[in-house]
Amino acid sequence: QSVVTQPPSVSGTPGQTVTISCSGSTSNIGSNLVNWYRHLPGTAPKRLVSNDIQGPSAVPDHFSASKSGSSASLAIRGLQSEDEGDYYCATWDDTLNAVLFGGGTKVTVL
Amino acid sequence: QAQLLQSGAEIKKPGASVKVSCQTSGYVFTSYGISWVRQAPGQGLEWVGWISTYNRLTKHAQKVQGRITMTTDTSTETAFLELRGLRYDDTAIYYCARAGSSSWTSDFEPWGQGTLVTVSS
Repeated sequence: QSVVTQPPSVSGTPGQTVTISCSGSTSNIGSNLVNWYRHLPGTAPKRLVSNDIQGPSAVPDHFSASKSGSSASLAIRGLQSEDEGDYYCATWDDTLNAVLFGGGTKVTVL
Repeated sequence: QAQLLQSGAEIKKPGASVKVSCQTSGYVFTSYGISWVRQAPGQGLEWVGWISTYNRLTKHAQKVQGRITMTTDTSTETAFLELRGLRYDDTAIYYCARAGSSSWTSDFEPWGQGTLVTVSS
């Protein structure tokens, strides 16, 4: 079980907004930046949202990222069939001295 | 445009070693780190380690402690991941990704195409 937890799946109809949560603790999300990735089968993961200190925050219009305390979330607005895939949050953990990925959330467009 | 190209699939026996390469292009190699991430069959993404291409400092996951070596060759702008004492649960697709110059970054982009490492007797 991941230290950073995500719901295993979320679903919605085209045009809807779905939200993926990413819950951690003070040693990871609570004190470090969070990045979001989409991973489609057979392809390389792709960064969706960059909140890394080295670069500007990059949030495509289609997505909305936020963080509060030890939790983060990614909202997908105007859901499209192309949005299906596995979504992961990632962050650094100060105690484990490691990057942690959430367990991943499968997004399905009904 | 930054690109990362990984070596081909490997099949190894338990206890053997594997070395995966990640050749980069399209950016200043020593300005970014390289992270390694793997995905076991049916599982999620798991961070394996990070190396600074500038000073070769490394960080790695506890799970591969004592079995991992990450190196770089600046002349060919290539990073390498070596994993020794392979176990069945090391079977995974291994990805390299361009990372920040600090070890505590989780910002990885772009990624290599992945290298399937299969551990089988």
